[in-house]
Amino acid sequence: QKEVEQDPGPLSVPEGAIVSLNCTYSNSAFQYFMWYRQYSRKGPELLMYTYSSGNKEDGRFTAQVDKSSKYISLFIRDSQPSDSATYLCAIDGDSSYKLIFGSGTRLLVRP
Amino acid sequence: EADIYQTPRYLVIGTGKKITLECSQTMGHDKMYWYQQDPGMELHLIHYSYGVNSTEKGDLSSESTVSRIRTEHFPLTLESARPSHTSQYLCASGPRTGRMETQYFGPGTRLLVL
Repeated sequence: QKEVEQDPGPLSVPEGAIVSLNCTYSNSAFQYFMWYRQYSRKGPELLMYTYSSGNKEDGRFTAQVDKSSKYISLFIRDSQPSDSATYLCAIDGDSSYKLIFGSGTRLLVRP
Repeated sequence: EADIYQTPRYLVIGTGKKITLECSQTMGHDKMYWYQQDPGMELHLIHYSYGVNSTEKGDLSSESTVSRIRTEHFPLTLESARPSHTSQYLCASGPRTGRMETQYFGPGTRLLVL
């Protein structure tokens, strides 16, 4: 079983829709959870991070962690065509160097 | 935006050639990483470094080698390129301090070996 599972998509939504992107993880000891956004032919960029359980909001983006279910989510409100990208969840594996990345979900927001 | 640079951005080269992919960061980060990513596929860690004179192999076996002589510089070398090395190579860096592992990525080098 992979340590982090993420649906690869693609996910296609109309402009203005609410988007929900999700990952599940296997190790209940994980504490730090991140979302990266990767535009085509670019490197990933850190979008948001959360510590332990709860929600964190930044503009149209909300990151949510449910440690009881080992489930992390990224919600995008009022989605825009410029949000079209691949979104990768990442978890700090509590070792000195390693981030555990999901495989990424491709999102397409149609005008 | 993170100050991490990769050159070249694109490289087309013949089989058997030696190549070096450059990665530099101006943030003074101790940790640096190389990932390999095929189009539409997940990231695979191939090398990392905790600091000067420190290099380790990552999760994915790779025929490439790395060096870390200076904090800001982490080049990756392929002694003899093969078509199977065709991929995107992403460099990242992150600070040693802090409770959370954070990595900042460069723009990537897209390599095509003919």
